Amino acid sequence: QKEVEQNSGPLSVPEGAIASLNCTYSDRVSQSFFWYRQYSGKSPELIMSIYSNGDKEDGRFTAQLNKASQYVSLLIRDSQPSDSATYLCAVLTDSWGKFQFGAGTQVVVTP
Amino acid sequence: DARVTQTPRHKVTEMGQEVTMRCQPILGHNTVFWYRQTMMQGLELLAYFRNRAPLDDSGMPKDRFSAEMPDATLATLKIQPSEPRDSAVYFCASIAANSYEQYFGPGTRLTVT
Repeated sequence: QKEVEQNSGPLSVPEGAIASLNCTYSDRVSQSFFWYRQYSGKSPELIMSIYSNGDKEDGRFTAQLNKASQYVSLLIRDSQPSDSATYLCAVLTDSWGKFQFGAGTQVVVTP
Repeated sequence: DARVTQTPRHKVTEMGQEVTMRCQPILGHNTVFWYRQTMMQGLELLAYFRNRAPLDDSGMPKDRFSAEMPDATLATLKIQPSEPRDSAVYFCASIAANSYEQYFGPGTRLTVT
């Protein structure tokens, strides 16, 4: 059983709309969560981190965390074609920096 | 600007040959990770080091893979002998002390024929 689950997509979103990405994790002791964006043929890049329950906003991105439900999400407001990429959810699994990554959700923003 | 570098960027080799991939973490970062990414398996952790000491290499096939950090500026991943199923993109990433923000290198795309 995978420890971090994401819908693989593709998630098709009209330009200007909100893209909503979901991630569930199995390890209840996990405390730190991250979202990475990966363009095709490129390496993952960190876009958001969240450590506490609730919402965290950074520009057009909002991360939401619910530890009781073991659920973390990412909202992309005013989606742009440049947001078309695969979004990876990552969960910290130890204090040294070891992560478990989800398989990623592909987002396609259509003009 | 500071970034993780990896060499080579592309490698095509025949089955049975040795492959060595190199990574230079960001200066001052003390934790280094090796990942493998395929369409089927996604991003998998192979091994990681803190202050050059191996912390976990349980993700690596031990009979053919080895990872080392000869010094703080160089991490290596070797495959001997290579097999077609090793074809993947191999990423190196590093983080600074007291941080969990990983910075990834550009990756090495390995094709084993």
